[in-house]
Amino acid sequence: EAGVAQSPRYKIIEKRQSVAFWCNPISGHATLYWYQQILGQGPKLLIQFQNNGVVDDSQLPKDRFSAERLKGVDSTLKIQPAKLEDSAVYLCASSQGQGRETQYFGPGTRLLVL
Amino acid sequence: GDSVTQMEGPVTLSEEAFLTINCTYTATGYPSLFWYVQYPGEGLQLLLKATKADDKGSNKGFEATYRKETTSFHLEKGSVQVSDSAVYFCALLTGTASKLTFGTGTRLQVTL
Repeated sequence: EAGVAQSPRYKIIEKRQSVAFWCNPISGHATLYWYQQILGQGPKLLIQFQNNGVVDDSQLPKDRFSAERLKGVDSTLKIQPAKLEDSAVYLCASSQGQGRETQYFGPGTRLLVL
Repeated sequence: GDSVTQMEGPVTLSEEAFLTINCTYTATGYPSLFWYVQYPGEGLQLLLKATKADDKGSNKGFEATYRKETTSFHLEKGSVQVSDSAVYFCALLTGTASKLTFGTGTRLQVTL
């Protein structure tokens, strides 16, 4: 079974530029998550989708971050404009359903904002 | 709110040594508990989990027991290998919410 796929793996941009990350979850998984992992910290949930609807985006900085999952499969996370403090690893995860389902993580996208 | 506290690293051990990484938690209700491992340059992999008190999760020689009385979920392995060098994250998930709450991670370095 293929795991969660993410691209790109690495991205370097200058502050105030925009960037987008892509995630393809495990086939059949209805729930998709985006986490932000700052160096030296544990991952923090940014947004959770159930199919193509948003379940929780309470920690997403909506003035600069946006995410969509148009057909309930792939998802894109965008940052516009980027700030220095957005430098982090962005992890995508998926699970079959909500609640206490095990979440499976992709390899992450490492973003450096200069 | 929910929180997870892990012992600070790095933890440096010789190969075949015994490993303990402490994890305690604060949560409302009865959480499910997880250990995830992150190898260099990779994403998080589920190592083991336990969903109720006194459950023992185990995988690849690692074990952790859900202790409700001490609100702990310590990770142990009897004999570590160089290939176990990674960052280990303890995490919890409560109620119907799907938001994992992670600790800050503990880096393990195993030397020959």
